[in-house]
Amino acid sequence: DTGVSQDPRHKITKRGQNVTFRCDPISEHNRLYWYRQTLGQGPEFLTYFQNEAQLEKSRLLSDRFSAERPKGSFSTLEIQRTEQGDSAMYLCASSRDTEAFFGQGTRLTVV
Amino acid sequence: AQSVSQHNHHVILSEAASLELGCNYSYGGTVNLFWYVQYPGQHLQLLLKYFSGDPLVKGIKGFEAEFIKSKFSFNLRKPSVQWSDTAEYFCAVNSGNAGNMLTFGGGTRLMVKP
Repeated sequence: DTGVSQDPRHKITKRGQNVTFRCDPISEHNRLYWYRQTLGQGPEFLTYFQNEAQLEKSRLLSDRFSAERPKGSFSTLEIQRTEQGDSAMYLCASSRDTEAFFGQGTRLTVV
Repeated sequence: AQSVSQHNHHVILSEAASLELGCNYSYGGTVNLFWYVQYPGQHLQLLLKYFSGDPLVKGIKGFEAEFIKSKFSFNLRKPSVQWSDTAEYFCAVNSGNAGNMLTFGGGTRLMVKP
């Protein structure tokens, strides 16, 4: 499968712990996006990279969230001091032009 | 800021029934419009997209959508649904911004009864 890959698929963590998710985009795609989806809602944009540069961040991305894309390849999304409100599906997408391809997401549960 | 509304949250249809899912957006400028589908346990997949030209666009699996600029709408249609169309459907827009970030509607969960 040469689509967008996310790891892990599921993560359960205790409140206050830090978590890190990984996204491997489609190899020739220079754009990478993170979205968050809560139950019963559509995905909400978090942040966007073009190559290794983080060009846009949503106000949803609090100071506890940080994303990186070293060398313009894979990306990581870290959440520090997790809160119950962080429980959601975190989706990664990549694109070369106007069509975004999504991964299957990482489902985070904060207990 | 742009927003997208999908008024039908849950739709239940029998096989062979016709489908129309509503999507309205609020943004005064040029928009690109998309419908994504998420089958159970799978990732979001693009059904169809509209950028310009013919406002009636055809997508995969017999789906089509019509862009009506005056109504800020981009409704999804299929003449005859199948059980395999059971999924969640998301309308999305971007404003043609440099990053092409998408704003999604809340989704419509479709169940097709065999």
